[in-house]
Amino acid sequence: SQKIEQNSEALNIQEGKTATLTCNYTNYSPAYLQWYRQDPGRGPVFLLLIRENEKEKRKERLKVTFDTTLKQSLFHITASQPADSATYLCALADSNYQLIWGAGTKLIIKP
Amino acid sequence: NAGVTQTPKFQVLKTGQSMTLQCAQDMNHNSMYWYRQDPGMGLRLIYYSASEGTTDKGEVPNGYNVSRLNKREFSLRLESAAPSQTSVYFCAIGGLPQETQYFGPGTRLLVL
Repeated sequence: SQKIEQNSEALNIQEGKTATLTCNYTNYSPAYLQWYRQDPGRGPVFLLLIRENEKEKRKERLKVTFDTTLKQSLFHITASQPADSATYLCALADSNYQLIWGAGTKLIIKP
Repeated sequence: NAGVTQTPKFQVLKTGQSMTLQCAQDMNHNSMYWYRQDPGMGLRLIYYSASEGTTDKGEVPNGYNVSRLNKREFSLRLESAAPSQTSVYFCAIGGLPQETQYFGPGTRLLVL
């Protein structure tokens, strides 16, 4: 079955450094992959979408890469700030165009 | 412009009780979704509605029913709640399944 894996352990990063989160998937070739941010007690908020024919997508301090050979997406936050602390979710569309979600990685940016 | 609203925000039920979770949107999107989120697991799709008048099962539909009342509203009903349905429920909307989904604030449900 299709599966998405994100680091289950929290990622601790010093303020100002680059945070890199990983999303790996198996048994599928998604046309799209999305990244969302979720704060405690709130719903996920869309950040970036990258298509299978795109290697990289940027938005301000955010960068997403998509390697369909490795079946992996990397999510980078440069010049990280404490306000970036949250859980980050990746999601891909399956063959029925429903989103399959990873469990998320909790990011903690320390001042 | 509230986006996606959900009611109630929090609910405690006893096993066997029923309830309906409400979702409404003011963004004029066709597709609406109901997810549940449990600790250590990704969001799981319960039901979705691609357009007014249509509904389809997602990954975990057992124990739930839905109604797409009109383009704005999509409700989720638990006919006989079970402890396994303790979860956080999110309603989401989107233009197409592949595109951005916008989420409501969630309903926290505890079934005793």
